[in-house]
Amino acid sequence: DTEVTQTPKHLVMGMTNKKSLKCEQHMGHRAMYWYKQKAKKPPELMFVYSYEKLSINESVPSRFSPECPNSSLLNLHLHALQPEDSALYLCASSQRGPGAVRDTQYFGPGTRLTVL
Amino acid sequence: EDQVTQSPEALRLQEGESSSLNCSYTVSGLRGLFWYRQDPGKGPEFLFTLYSAGEEKEKERLKATLTKKESFLHITAPKPEDSATYLCAVQAGDFNKFYFGSGTKLNVKP
Repeated sequence: DTEVTQTPKHLVMGMTNKKSLKCEQHMGHRAMYWYKQKAKKPPELMFVYSYEKLSINESVPSRFSPECPNSSLLNLHLHALQPEDSALYLCASSQRGPGAVRDTQYFGPGTRLTVL
Repeated sequence: EDQVTQSPEALRLQEGESSSLNCSYTVSGLRGLFWYRQDPGKGPEFLFTLYSAGEEKEKERLKATLTKKESFLHITAPKPEDSATYLCAVQAGDFNKFYFGSGTKLNVKP
């Protein structure tokens, strides 16, 4: 089983709202990732957690705040977003994480975020 | 600069018309090349991983090959359900980072 689940599937929020995206995997993977994907563009890496510690932050604005409560869960807290933040937010997981070779990333279905 | 380029950007085929998608890369220290399929509004679905030049992987109508500079995804006798965007990603460099190509949007007409 290579399933990564994400909730919600769709989210509409105003610029003053606070919301959270959730991601879960039960494959025993030790690395989890957040990506942002705009229409007709490839996924862009935002954050990487390895063994529940933040290992990579690709200079993401502070209005995006990741959290990894345990090895199976990954959250992305959203606050004071801008309309240009509207995108498909993808979560992925891999067995070992950054620095490991032959480490396939498996993606969830994504959350479609619209910021009004 | 590390780079991954996919061609063509878009490809329209008739059902049963075989073709190939290309992923060329200029990276230092290739650790692996990954092919994904992505349907509109959904997350990328893993297809293949290739690690060394000469390696080939097959799954149903798809076959992926790897050379030192590029990878091909061959589609044999495609069906309309093969329509999707196919993404190539390369793992390379000191930190084994993933570099995604821009994708090839495949449309197979019945």
